[in-house]
Amino acid sequence: DVKVTQSSRYLVKRTGEKVFLECVQDMDHENMFWYRQDPGLGLRLIYFSYDVKMKEKGDIPEGYSVSREKKERFSLILESASTNQTSMYLCASKLMTVRAYGYTFGSGTRLTVV
Amino acid sequence: DAKTTQPNSMESNEEEPVHLPCNHSTISGTDYIHWYRQLPSQGPEYVIHGLTSNVNNRMASLAIAEDRKSSTLILHRATLRDAAVYYCILIKAAGNKLTFGGGTRVLVKP
Repeated sequence: DVKVTQSSRYLVKRTGEKVFLECVQDMDHENMFWYRQDPGLGLRLIYFSYDVKMKEKGDIPEGYSVSREKKERFSLILESASTNQTSMYLCASKLMTVRAYGYTFGSGTRLTVV
Repeated sequence: DAKTTQPNSMESNEEEPVHLPCNHSTISGTDYIHWYRQLPSQGPEYVIHGLTSNVNNRMASLAIAEDRKSSTLILHRATLRDAAVYYCILIKAAGNKLTFGGGTRVLVKP
């Protein structure tokens, strides 16, 4: 089965820490995404990447950065974690194509910032 | 972005079919209709998608109205493992952003 793997299911970090969330996909997909999901707010796009070393801001990029040095890996970085970044973080990937193929999601990382 | 409207929740008995409706009256010609589901504490899972014609796969069927302003996801024989939140969303052919609405929470009773 093709997969998107997120490095941690649960993470607890302290306010002010630098946090790295890793995502790896084995499908040779060009596009990769980071979303956060909060009750009542649905999924919100943080950043996405359509190729190695390319990145685009999503709807809520403040307080986050990303890195894509290799096609299969897309990292989300919280520069200085804050309590309002406590959330479920979801990584996804898809083919870059004119047809709207489905997205494949990871299992999510539930981050708690204390 | 075109929006979708779904009922908040639906109940079904195990091994019975489930029909999940979705309204998308402002759909544009380049919008694909996608369905995802999310089990508790899991990431969303792709179920099916279509453009104009009805679609079938091993998980479900998708029936699309002729005017494309509504669609129905059909789970042919619900199992307890199908209990999840089901999201109907519209995605442009070259689009890169998913907008999930509230979805429909499906409860399957044994």
